[in-house]
This record gives sequence, C-alpha cells and structure tokens, in this order.
Amino acid sequence: RKEVEQDPGPFNVPEGATVAFNCTYSNSASQSFFWYRQDCRKEPKLLMSVYSSGNEDGRFTAQLNRASQYISLLIRDSKLSDSATYLCVVRGYGNNRLAFGKGNQVVVIP
Amino acid sequence: NAGVTQTPKFQVLKTGQSMTLQCAQDMNHEYMSWYRQDPGMGLRLIHYSVGAGITDQGEVPNGYNVSRSTTEDFPLRLLSAAPSQTSVYFCASRPGLASNTIYFGEGSWLTVV
Repeated sequence: RKEVEQDPGPFNVPEGATVAFNCTYSNSASQSFFWYRQDCRKEPKLLMSVYSSGNEDGRFTAQLNRASQYISLLIRDSKLSDSATYLCVVRGYGNNRLAFGKGNQVVVIP
Repeated sequence: NAGVTQTPKFQVLKTGQSMTLQCAQDMNHEYMSWYRQDPGMGLRLIHYSVGAGITDQGEVPNGYNVSRSTTEDFPLRLLSAAPSQTSVYFCASRPGLASNTIYFGEGSWLTVV
C-alpha cells in the first residue's frame, strides 16, 4: 500500500458548486498533514495545514480522520481560479520526511 | 523576494551527457532538497541536505549527485543522463527539519533523448 493515496480524478465541478475529495495515508503514526496546490506547469504551494479539529480558510475546509486514516479537502462556491491539482502531504512521527500524494485534479467548468 | 531559484527551466540532453541543475535560496534555510515529479508518480525525493557540508539520499538517488558547499546553493548533477531521467525537477527549501512549509523553485523540465 502506498504511503499516501489520492484519486487523481479529474474532478469536474460546475462553477459555484462544492467539491470534496480525500487522501488516505498508511502510517498510523503520521503526525502532520497538509494540502498543497499545484497549478499546471507550476511549483506546488502550501494551501493549508490540516489540524485535528478541522480548519477552514475562506472557502476551503480541511478535515482529519485519524481512525480511518484520511484527510479531506472541501471547496465551497468553486471559482474558475480553483482549477488546479491538490496534493496531499503527510509527515511521519519521529522523522522529517514528507510523503506526497499524486494529487487530485480539479477542473472548474463555467 | 527571490525565494528558491532554479536554472535552467528547460533542457534537452542526449543520453550519456552530464549536466547540473542549479538551485539557490536566499532565505537562509538549513534544509534543502531535490524532488522529481513524473506523471502518475507524485513528487519523489532524490537527495536532501540538512545544512552546509551534509547531504543524504532520498527515495530515488541513483544517477544523481549533490553537494552543499554553502547554505545558499544545492546543485543536482546528472552523471550520465538516461531517458528514464526525463522529468520535472523541483528544488525546495525549508527553514529546518521541523518546519512544515516547503518553498519550491519553479521547476526544471528535463528531456533526455
């Protein structure tokens, strides 16, 4: 089983709709979780960290489910500019290595 | 704000040629790393450095060398390019091992023919 797994999609979303997707991780001792955004032919950039209690940043909501070992990202009121690939990043306990998922590709359609 | 600067942005190599991808950061970050990104594979760690004079191997180090003579610079050398090394390469830095925010360079698109 891969360390971090994501359904690559694409997730085709009408403008204004809500889209959500998950990322599963295999190491139950993982401690830190993040979502990075990567635009086409660009470098990844940190979107948000994921906290145990869940957290919001504007239209973006991230959740962590430790029991089932997944994190989720929900985007409300999708904008055309939200079209990108969203990378799940997980950091293990006691080490500083970051494991990257393949990404969820989101395409917002007018 | 320069951040992490990578050069070249695009390069075509012939099989067997060698080349160096340059990476420099101006944020005084201790931790630097090189990743490659291939379709369907996600980002994979090639080599990393926790400070000047210290380097270590990541997941996919074969065919690559690195050095860290200064805090700012972390070049990646392809010793004898192979078509399997066709990829997008990202240099990254973060303030320290415990830091969670990674700053990526803009990427280098390498094609080996």
